[in-house]
Amino acid sequence: QSVLTQPPSASGTPGQRVTISCSGSSSNIGSSYVYWYQQLPGTAPKLLIYRNNQRPSGVPDRFSGSKSVTSASLAISGLRSEDGADYYCATWDDSLSGWVFGGGTKLTVL
Amino acid sequence: QVQLQESGPGLVKPSGTLSLTCVVSGGSISSSDWWTWVRQPPGQGLEWIGEVFHTGTTNYNPSLNSRVTISVDQSKNQFSLNLTSVTAADTAVYYCARDPRLHYHYYGLDVWGQGTTVTVSS
Repeated sequence: QSVLTQPPSASGTPGQRVTISCSGSSSNIGSSYVYWYQQLPGTAPKLLIYRNNQRPSGVPDRFSGSKSVTSASLAISGLRSEDGADYYCATWDDSLSGWVFGGGTKLTVL
Repeated sequence: QVQLQESGPGLVKPSGTLSLTCVVSGGSISSSDWWTWVRQPPGQGLEWIGEVFHTGTTNYNPSLNSRVTISVDQSKNQFSLNLTSVTAADTAVYYCARDPRLHYHYYGLDVWGQGTTVTVSS
């Protein structure tokens, strides 16, 4: 049982805009930034969004993040076939003094 | 740029100890970064195991706290994970990662190793 809640799956067609949600509580998302990771099949996770809405160098601006109180969203616009992957939200939990992750959302590009 | 590489036995017997090492290249383990272990059971999500600073300061996931030790070897620019009394539930891909936080400013886990698969089985 993950601390953060994500839908297990999402889908879209090429060119569409897709959003993935992440729900938490006042003790995690509500008091910290949200981070998003992309995990392509058979590879290690890759940091996609940090501090709610910041993109590391090299991440296309098709990817964007937002946060509102105790929930967050990852939006992918202009969906491409190579975006098919698992996406995880995460946050720093002060009570745990560690990172907590969502259960992951498998994005299928139809 | 910094690269991480995990190594260790791919098979561990039940009740035994899982021991993995992560070598840091392209940077110093003695920087201001924290060094982290994350695992992923087959077909499941990510679980934070714990972290270490170059001074030896550690934080562990409470669910694993009694079985986990993470240590750092500055002379070899590497850090290690020991997990005792393993069971089949500890079968997973184990990743090491860098956490470039500065004091209480967090930036996520920005560099990951490729991961190493550990199976617990007799």
